[in-house]
Amino acid sequence: GAVVSQHPSWVICKSGTSVKIECRSLDFQATTMFWYRQFPKQSLMLMATSNEGSKATYEQGVEKDKFLINHASLTLSTLTVTSAHPEDSSFYICSARSQSSINNEQFFGPGTRLTVL
Amino acid sequence: TQLLEQSPQFLSIQEGENLTVYCNSSSVFSSLQWYRQEPGEGPVLLVTVVTGGEVKKLKRLTFQFGDARKDSSLHITAAQPGDTGLYLCAGTRSGGSNYKLTFGKGTLLTVNP
Repeated sequence: GAVVSQHPSWVICKSGTSVKIECRSLDFQATTMFWYRQFPKQSLMLMATSNEGSKATYEQGVEKDKFLINHASLTLSTLTVTSAHPEDSSFYICSARSQSSINNEQFFGPGTRLTVL
Repeated sequence: TQLLEQSPQFLSIQEGENLTVYCNSSSVFSSLQWYRQEPGEGPVLLVTVVTGGEVKKLKRLTFQFGDARKDSSLHITAAQPGDTGLYLCAGTRSGGSNYKLTFGKGTLLTVNP
């Protein structure tokens, strides 16, 4: 149980294009999903918290118009990187928190490697 | 200011050695998780500790939560090359909002055969 998938696992795009990343909880309902960014050999940096049916909460310094988040159902959240630039290249990881979570366990997707040329 | 100080940041040891990773904070956590991450993959949950003084064992891994719930440690006995990876501690702060996890900076462990 507690499986989270991400799609795509990697993507290469040209500068100026938009890229959508999907995060799905496969066997549980996730009222809250989180989007992180990770640079090589470093820890995770929280970008935003996504709540089903409401607007995402962005961390300080994260541009909400650039990183669009939609959490339309209890099993799916999407992150769209708009007008991507080479500095947006990174490893993006989502996590999901179950409705029934007691101790705030979060389960992570396998990540999406974004490379912007 | 790093809310959860994790140390050491890098650790390279020989197979068979023991090691301990520490996470310390001045804040109280209602729960704390340890994750292990391999390159190009997402973190995998190893354990959750919630009670002050709690000790949990997972094969050769021993996890401790401090009495005051401000610190935690991960001890690996007789490390193996398969233990290589990035170890992350992450906690839920008492009184925090929206279920955000506070992450340590991670410990990159390399176990050499």
